[in-house]
Amino acid sequence: AQKVTQAQTEISVVEKEDVTLDCVYETRDTTYYLFWYKQPPSGELVFLIRRNSFDEQNEISGRYSWNFQKSTSSFNFTITASQVVDSAVYFCALSERTGNQFYFGTGTSLTVIP
Amino acid sequence: NAGVTQTPKFQVLKTGQSMTLQCAQDMNHNSMYWYRQDPGMGLRLIYYSASEGTTDKGEVPNGYNVSRLNKREFSLRLESAAPSQTSVYFCASSDREGAGNQPQHFGDGTRLSIL
Repeated sequence: AQKVTQAQTEISVVEKEDVTLDCVYETRDTTYYLFWYKQPPSGELVFLIRRNSFDEQNEISGRYSWNFQKSTSSFNFTITASQVVDSAVYFCALSERTGNQFYFGTGTSLTVIP
Repeated sequence: NAGVTQTPKFQVLKTGQSMTLQCAQDMNHNSMYWYRQDPGMGLRLIYYSASEGTTDKGEVPNGYNVSRLNKREFSLRLESAAPSQTSVYFCASSDREGAGNQPQHFGDGTRLSIL
């Protein structure tokens, strides 16, 4: 079974619109870590955020914000006032306390249209 | 500030040829990983090494072998390349702090085409 699901394969928005990327995860561990990575067209993978399962506070970093809800096993990512430079593939990932593996979703390709 | 270095960046092989992808990290991380990325399938784990001297299979290990040469280096070998192994390969490293894995640091990837 897929441990991390990103149901949105592709999203297109017009510049300055807000956009939310969904991430749903599945784990039996009580301690786990969630991550978001960005992969711009140049191909490298860039770490954006790490959140542990005990911290349900939302986080904001500039135009980026993350909403972690254990009740729905979701860790959604919102970009406010999107810009063309936000165009990329975004991956959500899960790491459990009881292992060394990271489980990635299949990614959401975001296109921001000028 | 090299981080994770992968070589080569591009490679074209013929079916049946062998080759080794090299990966080195300079962050003193214990864990290293090899992934492949194919369109629509995200990152799939091939093998990983939780520490020097250990290796474990991931989701898609068939057709690959790995060697954790030392703490810095983790190589991936294709013994007899097949067209289905055409992909972009990423190496990553991370460490554990307390009970949890720190973020992975990725190399720039190797684009491998098998004809």
